[in-house]
Amino acid sequence: AQKVTQAQTEISVVEKEDVTLDCVYETRDTTYYLFWYKQPPSGELVFLIRRNSFDEQNEISGRYSWNFQKSTSSFNFTITASQVVDSAVYFCALSEASGGYQKVTFGTGTKLQVIP
Amino acid sequence: KAGVTQTPRYLIKTRGQQVTLSCSPISGHRSVSWYQQTPGQGLQFLFEYFSETQRNKGNFPGRFSGRQFSNSRSEMNVSTLELGDSALYLCASSLTSGRDTQYFGPGTRLTVL
Repeated sequence: AQKVTQAQTEISVVEKEDVTLDCVYETRDTTYYLFWYKQPPSGELVFLIRRNSFDEQNEISGRYSWNFQKSTSSFNFTITASQVVDSAVYFCALSEASGGYQKVTFGTGTKLQVIP
Repeated sequence: KAGVTQTPRYLIKTRGQQVTLSCSPISGHRSVSWYQQTPGQGLQFLFEYFSETQRNKGNFPGRFSGRQFSNSRSEMNVSTLELGDSALYLCASSLTSGRDTQYFGPGTRLTVL
């Protein structure tokens, strides 16, 4: 069975600090997809990134970067020079694409508070 | 392109009543999934519809049901509401399924009194 673990329940950082959100996953499939979503207080989940299991290249998008390591089954998310607007709950998710059917499992989320 | 829309945004019901929530996916998206989010259980998958057929179902009682129309719009229904059904119900749409990114709507906040 697939599983996503976000061990950090809540993190507080001071503005401009870097912060890394951890995500560890379990799956038996060789083909799978990993996602990060941001949920601000308004409630809507905002898509941040999608990564397939065959692409281990790290990705950088502005202040956001992602480190995917299959060897440790981790897909960590780093925010550089954090800002107050980054305060939100962040979810890591795993999608197994078996048989064309989508089975998506979300982690429990990490609440990030950026203090001005 | 317009995003995923959900109506209503807020709903208050009493125990025993039933409720219907609506979701309109992004234009061109044919897969719609529903999730329940509560502080205690996090995000839990309810079901997924594609081309008017339920393709996948989570571990929820039969009181939770859904359907999808030919225009890909989807509804979910909860009958005989219980206090524990109070939650944020999120709808997500994707192009087809499996490999595609899900885009979420703003959710419907259901409160059961």
